[in-house]
Amino acid sequence: AQTVTQSQPEMSVQEAETVTLSCTYDTSESDYYLFWYKQPPSRQMILVIRQEAYKQQNATENRFSVNFQKAAKSFSLKISDSQLGDAAMYFCAYRSGTLGGSQGNLIFGKGTKLSVKP
Amino acid sequence: DAGITQSPRHKVTETGTPVTLRCHQTENHRYMYWYRQDPGHGLRLIHYSYGVKDTDKGEVSDGYSVSRSKTEDFLLTLESATSSQTSVYFCAISAVGASTWANEQFFGPGTRLTVL
Repeated sequence: AQTVTQSQPEMSVQEAETVTLSCTYDTSESDYYLFWYKQPPSRQMILVIRQEAYKQQNATENRFSVNFQKAAKSFSLKISDSQLGDAAMYFCAYRSGTLGGSQGNLIFGKGTKLSVKP
Repeated sequence: DAGITQSPRHKVTETGTPVTLRCHQTENHRYMYWYRQDPGHGLRLIHYSYGVKDTDKGEVSDGYSVSRSKTEDFLLTLESATSSQTSVYFCAISAVGASTWANEQFFGPGTRLTVL
């Protein structure tokens, strides 16, 4: 069974600085997808960024980028120029690349709470 | 934003009472999911549906049942609520397919359930 581990329960960053959130996963599959979700105090789950395992190029979305190390099974999220609105819980999630059935389910890490200091 | 609503948004109930949470989507997506979120556990899958009347168990299904009689509605029922089922419940939808965007799950706003 696949597992996702976020080893940092809490992180803190100064406004305008850069912070990296860690995520490791365990799988025997070669085809899969990885996601970072943001959950602000409003509780809404917001997709931040996604990465397809077959793509070697790291995904980027504006100030958010990932460092995807497939061999090491590592998928860290880097937030550049941190803003107060980035304060939230961040969840790393894994999804099998096999279509249909239970393989479509997301497996989540336990989350990292990010605080942004003004 | 994906058209997903959950009702009720908040509910307080007593141990032993039945509770039904509703998820409604307007996207006509095939897959629907129920998760619960608890501190220190992230989100854990309760049940999911891959079509009308097609459902299956997730990681933490004990004490929960689901039904899907229409594409747009996915109901989660706690037959006899217990205090351990106090949690925030999220519904999600997905159009599982070949393209990348189709692998994304869109989440509803969540329901906070308190069982006294």
